[in-house]
Amino acid sequence: GQQVMQIPQYQHVQEGEDFTTYCNSSTTLSNIQWYKQRPGGHPVFLIQLVKSGEVKKQKRLTFQFGEAKKNSSLHITATQTTDVGTYFCAGRNTGTASKLTFGTGTRLQVTL
Amino acid sequence: GAGVSQSPSNKVTEKGKDVELRCDPISGHTALYWYRQSLGQGLEFLIYFQGNSAPDKSGLPSDRFSAERTGGSVSTLTIQRTQQEDSAVYLCASSLFAGPGYGYTFGSGTRLTVV
Repeated sequence: GQQVMQIPQYQHVQEGEDFTTYCNSSTTLSNIQWYKQRPGGHPVFLIQLVKSGEVKKQKRLTFQFGEAKKNSSLHITATQTTDVGTYFCAGRNTGTASKLTFGTGTRLQVTL
Repeated sequence: GAGVSQSPSNKVTEKGKDVELRCDPISGHTALYWYRQSLGQGLEFLIYFQGNSAPDKSGLPSDRFSAERTGGSVSTLTIQRTQQEDSAVYLCASSLFAGPGYGYTFGSGTRLTVV
């Protein structure tokens, strides 16, 4: 079945440093979504990418969807302590409208 | 409602007992999903409902797990004869429709502990 892997599993940065998480799918995706889960909380939808090569920005966050629609990345510029949490990508296979398959997640720790 | 509501928020049960977990999705959302998350792990798909269509049960780990959605709204996930490996946070999510373009809104989850 479809597998969605993320690297790294965990990253610890100092506030102000940049951070990137990479998402790789074993199959071609129709779209990819990103979610953030704060410690002790539930996943919260951040953004969706649909087009091959698409890039979207939300303030300090930059999201990219690969040309082959099998990978994606999330880059955070100048991290803040409020960025702490686990970031999940989630994708749907092409040709299916149903469930999202979530990635393995990247846990980000930010210290002063 | 304003958000996805799940109850109970915490449930401790003895091994072998049955449990029911409830999810009340956002009003008007046609798609409802159940996932579970073990400590420090990712989200494992369990089951998905879309309108009046037959549910996608492909993620249910065993026949001890079942779910229903009454009247296209509230859903109940039932686990029979609970085992310790069932301990996890059970997350419910809803979306306006099931297709691409719609993000999930998750509830706060039910933390199930089987002792």
